[in-house]
Amino acid sequence: IAGITQAPTSQILAAGRRMTLRCTQDMRHNAMYWYRQDLGLGLRLIHYSNTAGTTGKGEVPDGYSVSRANTDDFPLTLASAVPSQTSVYFCASSRRLVGETQYFGPGTRLLVL
Amino acid sequence: GQNIDQPTEMTATEGAIVQINCTYQTSGFNGLFWYQQHAGEAPTFLSYNVLDGLEEKGRFSSFLSRSKGYSYLLLKELQMKDSASYLCAVMDSNYQLIWGAGTKLIIKP
Repeated sequence: IAGITQAPTSQILAAGRRMTLRCTQDMRHNAMYWYRQDLGLGLRLIHYSNTAGTTGKGEVPDGYSVSRANTDDFPLTLASAVPSQTSVYFCASSRRLVGETQYFGPGTRLLVL
Repeated sequence: GQNIDQPTEMTATEGAIVQINCTYQTSGFNGLFWYQQHAGEAPTFLSYNVLDGLEEKGRFSSFLSRSKGYSYLLLKELQMKDSASYLCAVMDSNYQLIWGAGTKLIIKP
C-alpha cells in the first residue's frame, strides 16, 4: 500500500538520550518534511528536503538534524533530547516542493522526561 | 511576522452548513491549503486554492480572496464524521507551509 510510514508510533525518552525517528515513503516523492505539532499551535516545520542529498532548515530546527541519503527515507535525529521536545512529530512528503499537496504519515508521539 | 488566524472552536448541528474562516498575513503567497485532522490522526488534504474564487468538491467548498488575505472552508450537509480539526495553511514565498493552529469543529446531533 502506497504511503508514508513512521516509527516508532510512540516513545518515552529520558532527557539527554539520543533518538532517531524514522520516516519512509514509497510514492517516489521528491520533497519530504518533518513537522512538530503542539497543543494550541499550528504545525511547525523542523527540516525539509527538496530532493535526495539536500536538506534545509525550517522554522524550528534547533536540537534536530536530518539526512536524505535516498528518495524514500528521511530520518529525524534528536541528538540530546530535552523535555521541550515532547510533541507529536509528523513526517510528510510531496511530489515537489512547490505548490504540491503534502501527504502525512501517522505521526510519532514523543514524551521526553 | 507571518500569521494565520482561524477560530479555535466551532459548534454546528448535523445536517446544517458551517463556514470556517481563515485570515493570513505571510511573506508572499503560493497557494492556500485546507486539511482535515481527526483526533489522534494525521492531517489529510481537503483543498487547494491559488486563484481567487470558489472551489467546490462535493460537500466541501473553499473560497479565496488574495487581496483580502482571506479564505473560508464551507461544509454542507454536516455529518457526525465531520467532527475534526480543520487546518488552514499558506505557502509563502520560500515555498514553506505556514500553518494555522486549527479550528476544532464539534457536530451535535
